[in-house]
Amino acid sequence: EDQVTQSPEALRLQEGESSSLNCSYTVSGLRGLFWYRQDPGKGPEFLFTLYSAGEEKEKERLKATLTKKESFLHITAPKPEDSATYLCAVQAPSGTYKYIFGTGTRLKVLA
Amino acid sequence: DTGVSQDPRHKITKRGQNVTFRCDPISEHNRLYWYRQTLGQGPEFLTYFQNEAQLEKSRLLSDRFSAERPKGSFSTLEIQRTEQGDSAMYLCASSLGQGNSPLHFGNGTRLTVT
Repeated sequence: EDQVTQSPEALRLQEGESSSLNCSYTVSGLRGLFWYRQDPGKGPEFLFTLYSAGEEKEKERLKATLTKKESFLHITAPKPEDSATYLCAVQAPSGTYKYIFGTGTRLKVLA
Repeated sequence: DTGVSQDPRHKITKRGQNVTFRCDPISEHNRLYWYRQTLGQGPEFLTYFQNEAQLEKSRLLSDRFSAERPKGSFSTLEIQRTEQGDSAMYLCASSLGQGNSPLHFGNGTRLTVT
């Protein structure tokens, strides 16, 4: 069964303390892996799409990388405004256009 | 690009009542999705449309749930005979429907069934 697992469930960092979030997936024939940020009471906000192993994308303090089995979201020198839930999703194999989400990592950055 | 719009933002209803939610996607997007999210969980797929055609429904979508997208523009999600277990955030998303286009989400409708 297609599955997305994120770890850790929750993470507390001091401002400036870099770290990484993990997203592992079991999908036959990955067609795309997506990272989203979600603030409380709001819908997920799109951050990155990754298509193939070795690919990297960057945006401000965030950098996403992809291997054949997992993706990492690296947060460099985080600030309190980076506090949010980060969700990972994969597009299911050919024949369907649904997206499967993980349960997310709740990040709290302390000033 | 005005983003995906959902209405209402919040709905409180009594068990057994029917509720309907509306979603207006980004205008040039031809795929529209409904997801459900409970506290501490990721979004769970419910259904999606390509233009006006409903192409896939999750097993989560019981007979009490129905979704429509009559002219390939806005969509409605109706829940009949609501139950307390239906309490959740209902998220709508749209995408261009080309290759691996990302989903763009609205801010959801928070349903509370008392």
